[in-house]
This record gives sequence, C-alpha cells and structure tokens, in this order.
Amino acid sequence: EIVLTQSPGTLSLSPGERATLSCRASQSVGSNYFAWYQHKPGQAPGLLIYGTSNRATGIPDRFSGSGSGTDFTLTISRLEPEDFAVYYCHQYNNSPWTFGQGTKVEIK
Amino acid sequence: QAQLQESGPGLVKPSETLSLTCTVSGGSISGYYWSWIRQPPGKGLEWVGYIYYSGSTNYNPSLKSRVTISVDTSKNQSSLKLSSVTAADTAVYYCARIRGAFDIWGQGTTVTVSS
Repeated sequence: EIVLTQSPGTLSLSPGERATLSCRASQSVGSNYFAWYQHKPGQAPGLLIYGTSNRATGIPDRFSGSGSGTDFTLTISRLEPEDFAVYYCHQYNNSPWTFGQGTKVEIK
Repeated sequence: QAQLQESGPGLVKPSETLSLTCTVSGGSISGYYWSWIRQPPGKGLEWVGYIYYSGSTNYNPSLKSRVTISVDTSKNQSSLKLSSVTAADTAVYYCARIRGAFDIWGQGTTVTVSS
C-alpha cells in the first residue's frame, strides 16, 4: 500500500498569502494518477487537481499542482476567504487507492 | 452535470450489515466507474472500493472480506453492503464517480454503529 504523508498538518495564513502544501509518497506514483481535493465541513470533497497538474473544471488558476515520483505539491498563489479548508492528496496508481491524512489551511 | 445522493439507515447495530445506495441523477451510470469512500469521525478519507457499470469490482483489502459493491443500471444506482460492522465502521460514507480521479461526489451520509 502506498502511504501518503502530508505536511504541514495545519497551515495558518492570512488571505492574500501563498500556501504551499506537500505530499510525500512511500513509493513512486505515476504523474497521471495523482490528485488533490478540497474539503469543507459539511460538504462533499471537491476535485481540484488531477494528473498531478491539471485543474478540474471550474477551478481557478490560483490553484496549481506539481511534482513527480514521490514528492508532490499543491500551491495556492493568493488565498481567498473561500480557500480555507482541508486539502487531501490522493493516489490512484496502485490499489488500494490511498489518501493523505490532510492539511488544514486556517485563517491566521 | 450528474449529481449523486447517498441514502440508507443512519444507525446500524454491531454485527449487522450496513446497506447504502447511491442514486445518480442528471446523468447515466453507464460508461463510468463508481466508488465508495468513507471518513470516520476526526479522521481522513478511506477508499472502500469501486465498481464498473458492467459489474467488475475492486475492493480495499482491509475491507474485502466484508464489502460488496453492486450496480443497478436500470435504477441508475450503486449500492454498498458492509457486513459484520463494528464501531470502527462509524463514518460518513460518500459515493463518487471516477473519471481518473473522483470528479463528482455525493454529499455523504453518516452511519453510526451502535446498539
């Protein structure tokens, strides 16, 4: 099983700041099979990025994904108030598909 | 765009079988893979398994002996059954469509295992 470890656990930032979220895999993940989700309390998780760097439909360009192999990054260039949420990384390369434990982006 | 809605009992007794249904509206269940994912209280997301509309399945090994996912194309529904439940199965259960990643999710339904 591929274990995904996200860091930091919590990111305290102000609106307008840049957020950098990391996800490290216990073994290599194909670039086509890596995604990021945003999850707000009481809502369904929403797909942000698929295939490491492709924005899902309707996702603003302040969200970007990068990485390869075992190290992947989600960057939010300028935080908007609606961006404060929990973010999960996800690999769908090897079964069982797995998620990271989440990074909470909170208002400082 | 397709919408997904989970439904089923919110309370299940220990050792019994949890049964949930995911109804797809605004789109067809055919041609896609469909998955179940759960989130225990205070924890992260756990993939339960998926099914292709034609019926082929893949389950998380940690749950494989207890889980069955099925699809009914005539009703545009996917179903999840989890047998011999314990308190550890208490979670919000989501269904999701797979297009590579999970591109559409239901709102989720909370299932509590308690006597």
